[in-house]
Amino acid sequence: EPEVTQTPSHQVTQMGQEVILRCVPISNHLYFYWYRQILGQKVEFLVSFYNNEISEKSEIFDDQFSVERPDGSNFTLKIRSTKLEDSAMYFCASRKVGGELFFGEGSRLTVL
Amino acid sequence: AQSVTQLDSQVPVFEEAPVELRCNYSSSVSVYLFWYVQYPNQGLQLLLKYLSGSTLVKGINGFEAEFNKSQTSFHLRKPSVHISDTAEYFCAVSRSGDDKIIFGKGTRLHILP
Repeated sequence: EPEVTQTPSHQVTQMGQEVILRCVPISNHLYFYWYRQILGQKVEFLVSFYNNEISEKSEIFDDQFSVERPDGSNFTLKIRSTKLEDSAMYFCASRKVGGELFFGEGSRLTVL
Repeated sequence: AQSVTQLDSQVPVFEEAPVELRCNYSSSVSVYLFWYVQYPNQGLQLLLKYLSGSTLVKGINGFEAEFNKSQTSFHLRKPSVHISDTAEYFCAVSRSGDDKIIFGKGTRLHILP
C-alpha cells in the first residue's frame, strides 16, 4: 500500500540552525501539506501546496519557514533559523483531488 | 472559518465497555468531517469520514460516528473497546474535499483493564 514517507524520524538541532525536513508524498497525489504538533497539543495546519506553489498558509508559517518541491517526488519544509518553540512533531500529508488526506509518520524536531 | 471542539481531553473506560468521544464543529458552510487516530509514537490514521449521504458512518476497527447537523456534532462511538484502542483521537473538519483539514485538540482514550 502506498504511503507518505518522512525523513528524518528525529532531528536534534541547536537554536539558530537551519533544518530541512523531507517528505515523499504518494506518487499520484497533487495536494501536499505540512502540519505540526507541539508535544501534548493539537495538530496545527502550517501550509498547503498545489501546482508548485503555496495555496494557503497559517499564521505560524512565517518568513522563517519555506516549502519546496525540488523534484517530482520530494516535498521539503525548511526552517531557516530554528527557535526553541519550533520543537514539535512535523507531519507531512498528501491527497488526490477530492481524496482523503494521508499522513506520514512524522519527523520529531528538538531544538536545544 | 471552521473550528472543532473536543469536549474531553481524556476519557477512561473499562475494556469491553462502550465509549463515546464527543466532537462539535462550527462552520458557516457545509463541511466534511473526519476522525483520525494516533497510536503512541505513530502518525495519524483516518478512522472514518463524513462527506455526504447517510449520517451514520462506519469506519475501521469497529468505530462509527453520527453526523448531527442540528446539533453540529460528530461523536465517535464504539460498542466494546479493546486495550489496543488506547490512542489519541482527533476530530477534524474541512470546508471541501480539497481544503485544509482543521483538527480538534484531541481526546486521549485510556482503556482500563
